[in-house]
Amino acid sequence: DAGVIQSPRHEVTEMGQEVTLRCKPISGHDYLFWYRQTMMRGLELLIYFNNNVPIDDSGMPEDRFSAKMPNASFSTLKIQPSEPRDSAVYFCASRLRGGSETQYFGPGTRLLVL
Amino acid sequence: AQSVTQPDIHITVSEGASLELRCNYSYGATPYLFWYVQSPGQGLQLLLKYFSGDTLVQGIKGFEAEFKRSQSSFNLRKPSVHWSDAAEYFCAVVASGGSYIPTFGRGTSLIVHP
Repeated sequence: DAGVIQSPRHEVTEMGQEVTLRCKPISGHDYLFWYRQTMMRGLELLIYFNNNVPIDDSGMPEDRFSAKMPNASFSTLKIQPSEPRDSAVYFCASRLRGGSETQYFGPGTRLLVL
Repeated sequence: AQSVTQPDIHITVSEGASLELRCNYSYGATPYLFWYVQSPGQGLQLLLKYFSGDTLVQGIKGFEAEFKRSQSSFNLRKPSVHWSDAAEYFCAVVASGGSYIPTFGRGTSLIVHP
């Protein structure tokens, strides 16, 4: 298996632009998670899906952020409009059902908003 | 709700020395416990996990961790550190009853001197 795939790996954009991050989870996994990692706040859970349904989006910082999972093999995280404080590394992770199961992380998207 | 504390932000060791990274958790029952490693520019990778049975668990890359219920701890150890072990290490806890969403610690950065 190729693991969790994220694209792009790096994104540089200007303030006010729309940013779309993409994730392909491991085939067969029930859960998909979006995280943001910064030096100041560490690893934050933004939203997670179970069987393509958003379960908890309480970590999404504000309305500028949205996430979708149209099918079991694809998810997007969109920021519109982007701001410099959104600069971070965004990780997607997937997991099988069950609390003892391992989360598999993608390589991350490093976002820089100028 | 569960919580995780990694008291050490940075740890510096010499190559060949032993290593112990601390992790303390707060949860009313026995949780599922994980250690992940993040190499520079990479996503998180599972080192080992505990969910039942023997309290001393072995992981990849020569790491082990011991669950101590009385101390609410799950410390990570390695008898002899290699330069390639330099990375960020994250402890995570999952409540054994509930949504099975992990809570991550802030991480410990390991620096290895030659």
